[in-house]
Formats: sequence, C-alpha cells, structure tokens
Amino acid sequence: GEDVEQSLFLSVREGDSSVINCTYTDSSSTYLYWYKQEPGAGLQLLTYIFSNMDMKQDQRLTVLLNKKDKHLSLRIADTQTGDSAIYFCAGTTGTASKLTFGTGTRLQVTL
Amino acid sequence: EAEVAQSPRYKITEKSQAVAFWCDPISGHATLYWYRQILGQGPELLVQFQDESVVDDSQLPKDRFSAERLKGVDSTLKIQPAELGDSAMYLCASSQLGGRMYQETQYFGPGTRLLVL
Repeated sequence: GEDVEQSLFLSVREGDSSVINCTYTDSSSTYLYWYKQEPGAGLQLLTYIFSNMDMKQDQRLTVLLNKKDKHLSLRIADTQTGDSAIYFCAGTTGTASKLTFGTGTRLQVTL
Repeated sequence: EAEVAQSPRYKITEKSQAVAFWCDPISGHATLYWYRQILGQGPELLVQFQDESVVDDSQLPKDRFSAERLKGVDSTLKIQPAELGDSAMYLCASSQLGGRMYQETQYFGPGTRLLVL
C-alpha cells in the first residue's frame, strides 16, 4: 500500500514563506491533496493536484509535484499566524477514493 | 454552507463499556467514510460506505467495531467493548459519488474525541 511521509515540525516568521514537504511511495498515486487541521478540529481541504500536473497555484498556495522523486510540496506565501496548524498530505490511487495520509507537519508561525 | 455533522464532540468512557458515534454527511453525498486519528498521526480509514453498502472495511477491527448506514444517509460507528488503545479522534467524511476515476473531494466533520479510561 501507499506510504506517505512528512517532516514533523516547521517554524517560520510571520510574512515569510513556508514550504512543507511530503514523500510518497506509490507511483500510481492519482490525486495528491493537502489538508489543514487546526487544534481539536476536523480536516479542511486546502488544495489538490492531479498526477499529470507539475504545479498548481491557488492564491497564497503553490503545490509542486515531482513524480520522478515522488515528492510533493506545499508553499504558503506571506505566512500568517492563522496558518498555524497541522498540515497533512494525502493521496489516492487508481479508481479507489481511499485517502492515505501522512503523519502531518506542525507549522508554527512566530511574530 | 453544508457541513458534515458529528456527535458527540467528546466522549469519556471506561474500558469494557460500549460507545457509539453518529455522523450525518452533507445532503446528497453517496459516500461516507469513518477515519480514526491517533494523537500525533494522520487519519486512517476504518470503513467506507457507498450508499448503504460497505465498500471497504479492511482496517475495521471487526471483533469490537461495527458500523452501519441503514438508509444510506446518516451512519453510526460502535465500539464494544472499548479498550484503552481506542482513545483517538474519530472523523467522519463524505463525498458526492466516490470510487470513480476523477477527483472527489472528501469533506470532513469536526470529529469525536474519545478517551477510554
């Protein structure tokens, strides 16, 4: 099955850019997602990318996909304190809609 | 904006007791998912329903966990008896169709946090 790995923690200053990284093992991953989870809350979908794309930009968010290295990244421009949360990458494969999540990266934004 | 509803939000129980969680998906969503999220980890799928039918319950501990979606709308997840290791966040999600070869967003509820003492 799919394995998804992320670094555990990232600290950035307000106004800087954040880059959260994710690696996955299943090369047949169809869609790759980024979810945000604030303390005690459910998951909020931020953005997704289809496997035939290299990049997707959505306002302050930029997703980069390197299929050769099975590497996914999420860049948040002009990071704000409200961006402090845990960020999960997740993938689906083939016809299945089952999501496999990474362990999550805690983003801390400091003043 | 339509949301996935879950109740209760918090549940404390003693081991060996029975607990039940309820989920009401977004209206019209055919696919419903139950995930378990252990503290410090990502969510893991327990069971997936397409309408009232189970599509995937390969990770559901069937000796103690059961899930149903009798009318293909809301769903109940039950644990009996609860064990200390069941302490986790239980998340419900829904999607419009599911299981197809196109992007299908899963919308998550706020979760039920379970503590087993």
